[in-house]
Amino acid sequence: KAGVTQTPRYLIKTRGQQVTLSCSPISGHRSVSWYQQTPGQGLQFLFEYFSETQRNKGNFPGRFSGRQFSNSRSEMNVSTLELGDSALYLCASSKLQGASVNTEAFFGQGTRLTVV
Amino acid sequence: AQSVTQLGSHVSVSEGALVLLRCNYSSSVPPYLFWYVQYPNQGLQLLLKYTSAATLVKGINGFEAEFKKSETSFHLTKPSAHMSDAAEYFCAVSLYNQGGKLIFGQGTELSVKP
Repeated sequence: KAGVTQTPRYLIKTRGQQVTLSCSPISGHRSVSWYQQTPGQGLQFLFEYFSETQRNKGNFPGRFSGRQFSNSRSEMNVSTLELGDSALYLCASSKLQGASVNTEAFFGQGTRLTVV
Repeated sequence: AQSVTQLGSHVSVSEGALVLLRCNYSSSVPPYLFWYVQYPNQGLQLLLKYTSAATLVKGINGFEAEFKKSETSFHLTKPSAHMSDAAEYFCAVSLYNQGGKLIFGQGTELSVKP
């Protein structure tokens, strides 16, 4: 059974640019969550998508957005990049099946974004 | 609001010694508690999870954790550390009516000395 796949693994972007990260969840999983990991702030929840709808959102500016496709693949986009956006972005896939609580989340390898 | 606190951002043990990583959650009992491990430049791997079926939970690689409601704790232990256990460990909780969202502690970096 294939795991969670995130692409690309590494990205270097310039301030002001935008970036799109991709996440393919485990087959059959309909919930995809995104997290930002930095040394100073730790793991912070960005947002969750379930059945193509954003269901939860963390405390991040509107420059951070996402979407989910009918095959459950998800993308997140960051516009007008800032130096502080440099981080490891992790995607998590969960089965949920409409349940309101997460019983288990599987993580991808992450995308390391460096903004210069 | 629910929060997770991991005591000690760095823990160092000798190979073969007991590993104890501490995790406390805020007062309301979360439905699920998790421990994840992260190796450098990797994603998170699930070590074990508490689902209210049993207070002592056994996970992979010889790790286990005990849920103690009276202490609001879910500490992770391993009787004998191995060099390969060196990594960062995260405690996390899920919440009712919050879908896939997890709340993480700040993480504890475990070093294992030969």
